[in-house]
Amino acid sequence: AQRVTQPEKLLSVFKGAPVELKCNYSYSGSPELFWYVQYSRQRLQLLLRHISRESIKGFTADLNKGETSFHLKKPFAQEEDSAMYYCALSRPRGGKLIFGQGTELSVKP
Amino acid sequence: EAGVTQFPSHSVIEKGQTVTLRCDPISGHDNLYWYRRVMGKEIKFLLHFVKESKQDESGMPNNRFLAERTGGTYSTLKVQPAELEDSGVYFCASSQVGSGGYGYTFGSGTRLTVV
Repeated sequence: AQRVTQPEKLLSVFKGAPVELKCNYSYSGSPELFWYVQYSRQRLQLLLRHISRESIKGFTADLNKGETSFHLKKPFAQEEDSAMYYCALSRPRGGKLIFGQGTELSVKP
Repeated sequence: EAGVTQFPSHSVIEKGQTVTLRCDPISGHDNLYWYRRVMGKEIKFLLHFVKESKQDESGMPNNRFLAERTGGTYSTLKVQPAELEDSGVYFCASSQVGSGGYGYTFGSGTRLTVV
């Protein structure tokens, strides 16, 4: 079955602390993995895509096929990182997204 | 370019009533997707249009939901009759064919409350 699991509903850290949002997936084959973010009063937007291997706003995510994980990391959290983060997958070359339950990140001053 | 537009932004209706949600995708985007987030749960896929054709409607919960995309432009999602469990946020997203998840643009969503 195709599934994305984000075990933490809420993650609260202090400004400047490292943050890791966990994501595990189940998929037959090689999916495309994504992290989407929704800031307060804004629309859902793409943060990272595993194929691009880039760092956006200081966030990185490494695909670990052995552990079927795609955890999102940032070494020093900022207050403006507070948002709802969704891990998602799709089949290669597009199609519908399968989302995890989302993790609310709260960065305290 | 204009983004994906959804309206209404909020709708409160009584159980048994009908509600129609609308999504205007980005011009030229043939792919149009509907998703729903029910309180406390994940965002779930409802259906996918390619132009005016339904490519995948495996996520539609039941026959009270009807989606259309006449002419391959805007899309409507009608719920008739609405039930309490239909409450949630309905998202629309559009993309160009072949762009994959990278090319998705989401709308702001319609928050539907059924009382």
